[in-house]
Amino acid sequence: GAGVSQSPSNKVTEKGKDVELRCDPISGHTALYWYRQRLGQGLEFLIYFQGNSAPDKSGLPSDRFSAERTGESVSTLTIQRTQQEDSAVYLCASSLATSGLYEQFFGPGTRLTVL
Amino acid sequence: KNEVEQSPQNLTAQEGEFITINCSYSVGISALHWLQQHPGGGIVSLFMLSSGKKKHGRLIATINIQEKHSSLHITASHPRDSAVYICAVHFGNEKLTFGTGTRLTIIP
Repeated sequence: GAGVSQSPSNKVTEKGKDVELRCDPISGHTALYWYRQRLGQGLEFLIYFQGNSAPDKSGLPSDRFSAERTGESVSTLTIQRTQQEDSAVYLCASSLATSGLYEQFFGPGTRLTVL
Repeated sequence: KNEVEQSPQNLTAQEGEFITINCSYSVGISALHWLQQHPGGGIVSLFMLSSGKKKHGRLIATINIQEKHSSLHITASHPRDSAVYICAVHFGNEKLTFGTGTRLTIIP
């Protein structure tokens, strides 16, 4: 596809369950970013990848959150033992490189609801 | 502390009015982005600036590095411009720090 895609688009889960969110970046984009947007709040940075490496994990809220990227393509964000405060829209973006001088292209997001 | 502030938080205007949204940041940056988030939640990148001014259609973005300030202007505003506009900056590293957004409503 031409743009960044994310799946699932919506996920409802019970507190304590693990969830996996997927991001397919634009082909050829080496940089990939994960963000979170809680209801009524601004965007928060979670993690970024340069290739398959994640040099900056400082935004991950807790050790229940992890992410990986393989083949310089697909990335998965995993949340273990979900809590209600994890409810948010999780957005993925990709760009040609990690320099701030490149436009980021955003996916449609995954809306996560933890009951 | 690396901070990004936007003003106003909310803006309502009549169709055709000239719109200005402001963004200020606390320390030097390597780049600044203006993003548009539609009511459905999708985010579109409008501009990336490191200096000067850029124009795309009815949208104009300017940045003053010395004053640590950027503005987004919309000329001849239209109801379809109604969205949340977000300023985001790179404080010399790779992650974006976001402003809280400006909710723009254009009334026909």
